[in-house]
Amino acid sequence: QSVLTQPPSVSGAPGQRLTISCTGSSSNIGAGYDVNWYQQLPGTAPKLLIYANSIRPSGVPDRFSGSKSGTSASLAITGLQAEDEADYFCQSYDSSLSGYVFGSGTKVTVL
Amino acid sequence: QVQLQESGPGLVKPSETLSLTCTVSGDSISNYYWTWIRQPPGKGLECIGYIYYSGFTNYNPSLKSRVTISVDTSKNQLSLKLSSVTAADTAVYYCARSNRGWFDTWGQGTLVTVSS
Repeated sequence: QSVLTQPPSVSGAPGQRLTISCTGSSSNIGAGYDVNWYQQLPGTAPKLLIYANSIRPSGVPDRFSGSKSGTSASLAITGLQAEDEADYFCQSYDSSLSGYVFGSGTKVTVL
Repeated sequence: QVQLQESGPGLVKPSETLSLTCTVSGDSISNYYWTWIRQPPGKGLECIGYIYYSGFTNYNPSLKSRVTISVDTSKNQLSLKLSSVTAADTAVYYCARSNRGWFDTWGQGTLVTVSS
């Protein structure tokens, strides 16, 4: 059972906008810890997509954006493309566990 | 450009100790925290623990009694030992560089299967 909750799957047509939620609690996201997002393409290692809630590393398209509010965070993908089909994970720090925690993961399907 | 490469046995017998090494190239291991993360087949990610070059460690409470993470600065390597393994420990094991709370560089991962 993951500390951070994500929807198991979301889907959309090419060009559409998708959002993925990441719900935590007062010991992680709600405590002010940063939320980071990773994209995992099939058969590959996760790749950092968003860090510190909303910052894109160099090379990540600006179609990807992140936000955080209260005990939740969101990843938005605009102009959905076939290459965006992957698993997406949120990650933060939890003070009660004194360690890093991941979300349960969301599979994005491009219709 | 920093690169991480995990290595170790792909098959471990139940009750034995899983041992993996992560070799860091392109950067000094002394500059960051380094983390071991695992992913059971078809499942999510779990942080096993992390280490600083000084030897400071932090382990996942659910694994703490069985985990040891160490660093060899002379070889620019970090190691993972997980004792008394069971089938539930079957997973792809990743090492990753921790940069102020996020993991900005990952190894390709290595699948470890626990089976007799």
